[in-house]
This record gives sequence, structure tokens and C-alpha cells, in this order.
Amino acid sequence: KAGVTQTPRYLIKTRGQQVTLSCSPISGHRSVSWYQQTPGQGLQFLFEYFSETQRNKGNFPGRFSGRQFSNSRSEMNVSTLELGDSALYLCASSQIGGIGNTEAFFGQGTRLTVV
Amino acid sequence: AQSVTQLGSHVSVSEGALVLLRCNYSSSVPPYLFWYVQYPNQGLQLLLKYTTGATLVKGINGFEAEFKKSETSFHLTKPSAHMSDAAEYFCAVRVNAGGTSYGKLTFGQGTILTVHP
Repeated sequence: KAGVTQTPRYLIKTRGQQVTLSCSPISGHRSVSWYQQTPGQGLQFLFEYFSETQRNKGNFPGRFSGRQFSNSRSEMNVSTLELGDSALYLCASSQIGGIGNTEAFFGQGTRLTVV
Repeated sequence: AQSVTQLGSHVSVSEGALVLLRCNYSSSVPPYLFWYVQYPNQGLQLLLKYTTGATLVKGINGFEAEFKKSETSFHLTKPSAHMSDAAEYFCAVRVNAGGTSYGKLTFGQGTILTVHP
């Protein structure tokens, strides 16, 4: 069974640009969550999608957005990039939507560098 | 709101020594607890999880953790460290309170484990 796939693995963007990251969850998983990982702030929850609906959102500005498609694949978008957006962005999928003890399976992440 | 505190951002042990990584949580409702490991430039891999029932949880690679409600702790241990255990370890909590808790894992700041030969 294939794991969580994130593309691309690495990205370099310029301040002010926008970027779209992609995540393909494990087959059969309907929940996709996104996290930002930085040395200073650690792992922070961005948002979660379940059956194409955003069900939960972390404390990030509106420049961060996402969506989920009918096949459960998800994309996140960051507009008007800032230097502080440089981070490892991790996607996680869960079978039934992050309920209780359901484990989340993580992809290898997309390393975004903003210059 | 739930939170997680990992005591010690760096832990160094000798190969063959006991590994002890500390995690304390704060939650107003019964939590579900997880330990993840991250190798350089990789995602997170689940080591073990606590649900309900047995408080001593066994995971992969010889790791185990004990849930102690009275101490609000979920420390990770391994009897004998191996060089391949060198990585960063994260404790995480999720509460099953619906609403804003859906899908959200709250992580500790991480502990980097170094294993010396």
C-alpha cells in the first residue's frame, strides 16, 4: 500500500510569489491534515480536510489556504510569500478523520525556501 | 485547550544505555497520546499510541511508553539504545472533543536523541 505522497519535495520561491503544494493520501483515507514545521515554532497545525470540507483550521493568516478533491487528494496554497514561510510542510492522512486514537500517517514533506 | 511539554530538547546516551524521553500533557478531557520519530529530511513515523485500557504501550523498534494519568505523563523508553535510534522524537496529543479538535494533533517541541558509540 503506497504511503502519503507529497510533491514537490523541494521548492524555492521569491517573496511575494504564491505556491501550491500537493498531497496524495493513503488509498481509502478521507482525512488530510497539513502542518508547518520550523526550527523556531516546531510543528504547527494548519488545517484539516475531510470529504472535501475544511473541518478545522489552525492559527495562520488567510494567505494559507487549502482544498480537497473528491479523490481525497489535497492541495495547500500560500499566497504573497514571506521569508518566514520558509518551512517543511507536512501532510498527514487518516482513515476516518482524526477521531480519537486514529493515527495520522505523514508524508515526507515539502521543503519550501522563500528568498 | 490541550498542550504538550517535552522536557529536554537534547538527550545524549551511549549505545546500549537506557533511553528516556519525557513528555507531559495538559488536557481537560481524556487524551489520546502518540510518539512520533523523525529522521533528517523525512516525515514523521508513528512509534506508538495510547488509546484506552493498558497504560503500558509497546511500539516499534523496542520502544514503549507508560501513560500515567496522575502525573499527566507519557514518557518514552527503550532499554538499550542503538545507533540507529538517533533522530528527533515528538510527543503529540489529540482530544476527542469534536469541533475544533478534529484532525488536530498538538505536538511537543521535540527531543533530539544522540547516541554515542
